Amino acid sequence: GNSVTQMEGPVTLSEEAFLTINCTYTATGYPSLFWYVQYPGEGLQLLLKATKADDKGSNKGFEATYRKETTSFHLEKGSVQVSDSAVYFCALSDGASGGSYIPTFGRGTSLIVHP
Amino acid sequence: GAVVSQHPSWVICKSGTSVKIECRSLDFQATTMFWYRQFPKQSLMLMATSNEGSKATYEQGVEKDKFLINHASLTLSTLTVTSAHPEDSSFYICSARAQRGENEQFFGPGTRLTVL
Repeated sequence: GNSVTQMEGPVTLSEEAFLTINCTYTATGYPSLFWYVQYPGEGLQLLLKATKADDKGSNKGFEATYRKETTSFHLEKGSVQVSDSAVYFCALSDGASGGSYIPTFGRGTSLIVHP
Repeated sequence: GAVVSQHPSWVICKSGTSVKIECRSLDFQATTMFWYRQFPKQSLMLMATSNEGSKATYEQGVEKDKFLINHASLTLSTLTVTSAHPEDSSFYICSARAQRGENEQFFGPGTRLTVL
């Protein structure tokens, strides 16, 4: 079955530091990959996505590249801000199961950015 | 982008009462809606998938008689927690998908349920 593995948090950084949150996946088909962000007390917001190998998703300074050879989709940002403090979820979705496209989520990684 | 709302955003109720949570797609028609439960500092657990006009499909271990899901229209799904108990306290999140086979879901802001 499908699975997503994220690095455990919390990740604690100082403002303007470089961020990497690792994500690897296992899937039977050719999934789409997503990063979602959840701010305290809120639901999930789509941060970025990539639908095929070598695609790079980007948004708000965050980037992630779909690496089929390493089955990875690591999230990066060159300079984090305090406002980036949130929980980040890596997810995949594919139609291998009869087109259901029900996403599989990782456990989430908490990011804490200090001024 | 597509917007999904949930109501209420938070609710406190007494043990034994029932609570209804609404999930609405505001600017698109959702053929499928999903209900998730999230425990503190944990990932989302899919509870059920509902398609408009048909019975919901529940994930293994989720009591369908306790968590009643109704998807009466293309823009509204409701989750009713019947005879709520303190262990049902959680953050409930819905999401909606516009077309079957589409990969992207749009999430609501969540509902915090506290059962006293």
